[in-house]
Amino acid sequence: DAGITQSPRHKVTETGTPVTLRCHQTENHRYMYWYRQDPGHGLRLIHYSYGVKDTDKGEVSDGYSVSRSKTEDFLLTLESATSSQTSVYFCAISEGTTSDTQYFGPGTRLTVL
Amino acid sequence: QKEVEQNSGPLSVPEGAIASLNCTYSDRGSQSFFWYRQYSGKSPELIMFIYSNGDKEDGRFTAQLNKASQYVSLLIRDSQPSDSATYLCAVNSGAGSYQLTFGKGTKLSVIP
Repeated sequence: DAGITQSPRHKVTETGTPVTLRCHQTENHRYMYWYRQDPGHGLRLIHYSYGVKDTDKGEVSDGYSVSRSKTEDFLLTLESATSSQTSVYFCAISEGTTSDTQYFGPGTRLTVL
Repeated sequence: QKEVEQNSGPLSVPEGAIASLNCTYSDRGSQSFFWYRQYSGKSPELIMFIYSNGDKEDGRFTAQLNKASQYVSLLIRDSQPSDSATYLCAVNSGAGSYQLTFGKGTKLSVIP
């Protein structure tokens, strides 16, 4: 988890409320990713960023938006949270070189009631 | 759709034995292969990566890649109870893509 922090680490919210999760890195890596992990589904990519203001959708992007205004910060927003978005969310970073190794943050456990 | 398949387990091995974890992938153009370990309630941590056919060793861990058969495996020698975790296989298709496709993981239990 060195160099990557996520906040909050735990959150309980109500259906229909907006939620923003933050990922912060100190490694100056170009690529940042948001995943969700659910039992039976494994890790699935939500959105990723390949630079400031450059983002793209992943496998399960519906209901989520992202923003990256600084190299070090990548925000994930649930515009109107639903119970199906209850999950553990992981941020990851990579340099964007041929090694492509991704390093993960500690995760955020989100519960939508 | 790119798929990465792993036996979900649990795989139980006695302490000191060799644990063998397997992974198959569907995209024949895949170029980079990664093994992550994830303890319960924690985030995935990288164990090894491999790009070329053959074996790659790092301490008690050996990754094996066979691109013709589209499988990659991880061997853990002298298994320890601390190796008990879920092991995730991840594949990158290369060609300028930096996205990884993950398998669902194999749960390993090392019995003392």
